[in-house]
Amino acid sequence: GQSLEQPSEVTAVEGAIVQINCTYQTSGFYGLSWYQQHDGGAPTFLSYNGLDGLEETGRFSSFLSRSDSYGYLLLQELQMKDSASYFCASSNDYKLSFGAGTTVTVRA
Amino acid sequence: EAQVTQNPRYLITVTGKKLTVTCSQNMNHEYMSWYRQDPGLGLRQIYYSMNVEVTDKGDVPEGYKVSRKEKRNFPLILESPSPNQTSLYFCASSLGWQALYEQYFGPGTRLTVT
Repeated sequence: GQSLEQPSEVTAVEGAIVQINCTYQTSGFYGLSWYQQHDGGAPTFLSYNGLDGLEETGRFSSFLSRSDSYGYLLLQELQMKDSASYFCASSNDYKLSFGAGTTVTVRA
Repeated sequence: EAQVTQNPRYLITVTGKKLTVTCSQNMNHEYMSWYRQDPGLGLRQIYYSMNVEVTDKGDVPEGYKVSRKEKRNFPLILESPSPNQTSLYFCASSLGWQALYEQYFGPGTRLTVT
């Protein structure tokens, strides 16, 4: 089966940087995605790493190391609107498997 | 507007009463999928479809059925709902299985089975 581990909660102040780590154990691994979900809302796609290295999209960056079965999402210049749950997800064998999610709380 | 729609958004039903949750997308996507979300467990895939008439089980398919007769629609059927199927359900779609890493989610259906 597929297994993705990520921290359950992170709290930080506005303007700070937060890194959410994700370790995975999967078969047929293609790549690692990240999704954001605000309370009660639909998950929305943030980024994808199909290759090792860093992908940058505005204030958010994502990293993948296949050799370490590890990735992270970096949230920079945190804003109040970034308070949400963040999920890593591995794509493999025609399926998308999600971690349990990390709740990020941004304090003023 | 490109979107995935689900109906109903909220449903309270009783054990054993068959129900269908509809899902429709207007993006001509080939890949569609159903997930359930429970506290502390993230999203778990129930069924997926790579194209019309092609469906397969996800990680938690027991108690659910799906069909894909048209490209845009992917209904989720609970033949005999039970209380352990109380959950938040999301339908999602992507361009194809090669791009399943980027899925577009519907607004969710909150189901309560008493």
